[in-house]
Amino acid sequence: DAGVTQSPTHLIKTRGQQVTLRCSPKSGHDTVSWYQQALGQGPQFIFQYYEEEERQRGNFPDRFSGHQFPNYSSELNVNALLLGDSALYLCASSLSIGSGYTFGSGTRLTVV
Amino acid sequence: SQKIEQNSEALNIQEGKTATLTCNYTNYSPAYLQWYRQDPGRGPVFLLLIRENEKEKRKERLKVTFDTTLKQSLFHITASQPADSATYLCALDSSSGNTGKLIFGQGTTLQVKP
Repeated sequence: DAGVTQSPTHLIKTRGQQVTLRCSPKSGHDTVSWYQQALGQGPQFIFQYYEEEERQRGNFPDRFSGHQFPNYSSELNVNALLLGDSALYLCASSLSIGSGYTFGSGTRLTVV
Repeated sequence: SQKIEQNSEALNIQEGKTATLTCNYTNYSPAYLQWYRQDPGRGPVFLLLIRENEKEKRKERLKVTFDTTLKQSLFHITASQPADSATYLCALDSSSGNTGKLIFGQGTTLQVKP
């Protein structure tokens, strides 16, 4: 049973560029959330998608946007990359709110 | 503002002992609390969820307590093993309801020595 799949696993981008990260949720899960995790910190909530709509959003600028497709997979887009955007980006899926989340292994983004 | 605190210092214990990790929160009335395990370079793995009307929950060698008066959760690993060494994260829903917007603590690193 495949869990949450994220791609790519690692990425190096230059400041000012744009990046797209991808996530396939666990089979049967319809809710996808994205988190940013800086080194030594807990994950920070970016946004959540359900039925192809952004349902919840954290304190992240509009440079961070996302999309959910009919098959529940999701993308995270970040525009105008800053050095401070360097982090581990985690995708999590769940069957319903209030249940445990299944996380992917993340995409390590380095902005130089 | 809402705040979650976990012991920032690493917890070092001897194999076979019970590890106890603490999660304190302020300005919350969460409907539930979750605990996750995270290994270096990996995503968090869900361990346990405890609801506000539950005082204690167990799963194999794991036990979680939830004291809504003290605004504290304790996470216990009994008969700890070196394989239990990891960072443990607690997480709460950001509201008193059930939004699915999780707020995480910074995590406590546990090191179990053989």
